[in-house]
Amino acid sequence: AQSVTQLDSQVPVFEEAPVELRCNYSSSVSVYLFWYVQYPNQGLQLLLKYLSGSTLVKGINGFEAEFNKSQTSFHLRKPSVHISDTAEYFCAVSPYGGSQGNLIFGKGTKLSVKP
Amino acid sequence: DSGVTQTPKHLITATGQRVTLRCSPRSGDLSVYWYQQSLDQGLQFLIQYYNGEERAKGNILERFSAQQFPDLHSELNLSSLELGDSALYFCASSPGWETQYFGPGTRLLVL
Repeated sequence: AQSVTQLDSQVPVFEEAPVELRCNYSSSVSVYLFWYVQYPNQGLQLLLKYLSGSTLVKGINGFEAEFNKSQTSFHLRKPSVHISDTAEYFCAVSPYGGSQGNLIFGKGTKLSVKP
Repeated sequence: DSGVTQTPKHLITATGQRVTLRCSPRSGDLSVYWYQQSLDQGLQFLIQYYNGEERAKGNILERFSAQQFPDLHSELNLSSLELGDSALYFCASSPGWETQYFGPGTRLLVL
């Protein structure tokens, strides 16, 4: 079974500051890793994903994440945030190589960017 | 816009009732997933269909059922509704099983 822990439920940050949203996972098998963003009253949008290869993954809107297998982490970073980045961010995993692919989500981190 | 559509956007109903939520996947996507998002449980996987067949089940209650039709759209049926079923229900589609694209969701309120 897999589980995902997002260590911070809320992260307040000032505009143009860097931000890191932390995600740790637990799994007995290899996994794919994802970050999704949910803007208020909207669905989930894929930010980035790690399937294989380079452990540093770049996504949309200037976000990037680094897969660390030894620490079972997949932290999301952005060097300079904007007001428009205010949203809830979800880390998710799915088992590697399966034919099912259902996502297991963390509880989410609410990013609040202040002017 | 992900290309996944869900209807209705909002649904208000009473306890004990039955509702049907509809999802149209992205063109060409064979997999459809249903998720429930609630304040206390977070985002939870309910069920997956692939090309008309059930592929995986998650935390789906026996009162809930789903199906995927030959045109690949899917319906989630919720019956004997309880207050605790109030939630946001998302549908997602995928060409295979690596990347899922989410619809805007259906917000269900059970009174």
